[in-house]
Parts: sequence; structure tokens; C-alpha cells
Amino acid sequence: DGGITQSPKYLFRKEGQNVTLSCEQNLNHDAMYWYRQDPGQGLRLIYYSQIVNDFQKGDIAEGYSVSREKKESFPLTVTSAQKNPTAFYLCASSIAQTREHEQFFGPGTRLTVL
Amino acid sequence: AQRVTQPEKLLSVFKGAPVELKCNYSYSGSPELFWYVQYSRQRLQLLLRHISRESIKGFTADLNKGETSFHLKKPFAQEEDSAMYYCALSGGSQGNLIFGKGTKLSVKP
Repeated sequence: DGGITQSPKYLFRKEGQNVTLSCEQNLNHDAMYWYRQDPGQGLRLIYYSQIVNDFQKGDIAEGYSVSREKKESFPLTVTSAQKNPTAFYLCASSIAQTREHEQFFGPGTRLTVL
Repeated sequence: AQRVTQPEKLLSVFKGAPVELKCNYSYSGSPELFWYVQYSRQRLQLLLRHISRESIKGFTADLNKGETSFHLKKPFAQEEDSAMYYCALSGGSQGNLIFGKGTKLSVKP
């Protein structure tokens, strides 16, 4: 099954802990993205990466960190500094970061802070 | 500022009725607009984009620059159209998407 995979599907975290969400793609896409989806809020961009070893903050990057050491992988760490981390997190990729290119989405990870 | 507005959180229609999901945008340049759909238990996926001018699953959307709108329409709704629909704008050189808050379409038998 190709495309974008995210793991785990569900994740529970205690307050004060950092957690890392995995995102892998085998589409040979250069660009990758992380979004947060909250009920009634739509999708909001956390971080994005155009190429390996480079990434930029999105609209709501505070309390999050990412890395892009490999083209296929773009993990997201939710740190203890993120005040409201409970949400559904979506990873996406596109061939390139240009306006006309479709973004392909993963199945998502639901994070709950206990 | 770039913004996408979907005024309806929920739209409920009967099978066979026409449906229109509204989307208005704010962007000073020439936008690229998309509709993404999320069916129950499935991942978010592209439905259509204005540049393609195509009809997907009977849905069409026309970009109206005068009214800054990109409404999604279908003449006869089907139960399988029930889903969450997001309008998205891609502006500027970097191609990041700005999403509306989404409209949940419920098609009743």
C-alpha cells in the first residue's frame, strides 16, 4: 500500500511529555506538510518542508518541532510547550511546493493529552 | 490577508436535490482554488481544482473573481456525497494551502 503513512493512529500523552508523530511517504515527493485539524477550525498549517534538511514554520508552529533528514520522512514532535495539543494531526505531501500541485494526505494521528 | 470562508458548518439536503456549498476567498492576486473532501473513515483527498475546469463525481465549481467565490455545485445529490468538504486557496509563490473551516454535507434518503 503506497502513499503516505502516519503512525500511530492514536496517541495518548501525559502533560509535560514530548511525543513524536511519524509521517512517511513513498511517492518521491519533495514537499511535505503538517496540519492540525480541530472541530470547526478546518486545517491549520504547522510546519512545511520543500526539500531535505530544510523546513519553515507555518501559522501555528509554537510548541512544535520537525526534522527532515530524509526525503521520505517528516516527523513532528509535540513538545510540552504546546498548550492545547489534543487534536487530529494530518501529514501531507506534494510533488513540489508550487501553487498548482495537489497535496496528498495521510490517514492522521489523533493525539489526546491525559 | 489571505482567507477562505465557508459560511455553512452543516448543509442537509434530500437525495436528488441540488446542492451548493459556498466558498468565498480573500486574496489580492490570482488565486488557485481547490475543493478537498473527507468521507467518513477515509483520508482527505482532492475533489477538484478550478484550473482543471472538470466535473468530478458530478460536482463542478466555477471561479467568480468578481464575487471572489468558488462555490461547489451538484444538480442531484446522492447519499454517498455525504462528507466533509473543505475549500482551499493556494496563493503566493510557495503554494501553501489555506483551508476554510469546512462544511459537512448530509444527504438524506
